[in-house]
Amino acid sequence: EAQVTQNPRYLITVTGKKLTVTCSQNMNHEYMSWYRQDPGLGLRQIYYSMNVEVTDKGDVPEGYKVSRKEKRNFPLILESPSPNQTSLYFCASSQGRIGGTEAFFGQGTRLTVV
Amino acid sequence: DQQVKQNSPSLSVQEGRISILNCDYTNSMFDYFLWYKKYPAEGPTFLISISSIKDKNEDGRFTVFLNKSAKHLSLHIVPSQPGDSAVYFCAASTDYGQNFVFGPGTRLSVLP
Repeated sequence: EAQVTQNPRYLITVTGKKLTVTCSQNMNHEYMSWYRQDPGLGLRQIYYSMNVEVTDKGDVPEGYKVSRKEKRNFPLILESPSPNQTSLYFCASSQGRIGGTEAFFGQGTRLTVV
Repeated sequence: DQQVKQNSPSLSVQEGRISILNCDYTNSMFDYFLWYKKYPAEGPTFLISISSIKDKNEDGRFTVFLNKSAKHLSLHIVPSQPGDSAVYFCAASTDYGQNFVFGPGTRLSVLP
């Protein structure tokens, strides 16, 4: 089954404690991205990757890092989480730029930073 | 300033009637638009798309209309069903790319 898998689904952490949210896709997609969803703001892109070892900032990259060492994995790293990073996070993957294609989303990770 | 706006946070419709969800955008460079549906505790799922070379695209009960001069698109669901109750996001990109800008979403409730 084609899917994007995020872990964990729920996470409560304390300010400053480094954390990683994993994302894996099994569709051999080139393009992967991370979004955060906040009330009234919709989904805002944090980082994206067009292929292995190619990453770039989205609209709200501050406080986040990503890496793309393998095509299937695109972890999101919060080196020093702060309460304003409390949000619902989604990883997405898609075939690539050409022709414009829809993205497949993971089920989301609800992060609370206290 | 939001480039993609969905000015109705919520909408209630009777089962069997038409649901119309609206989306406005400010960036005239947007050339590819999508609608996603999101149920609670799930990720968004793709619903329907339209490119700027078209003004209408249909897929079963779902039709998207694009008015480029007004920078407006709408999603019509006919007939509406209770299972359509979800949050609907409008998204747009430039250069048929993958960096989508999402609207804030509209929560649709279809009442039996």
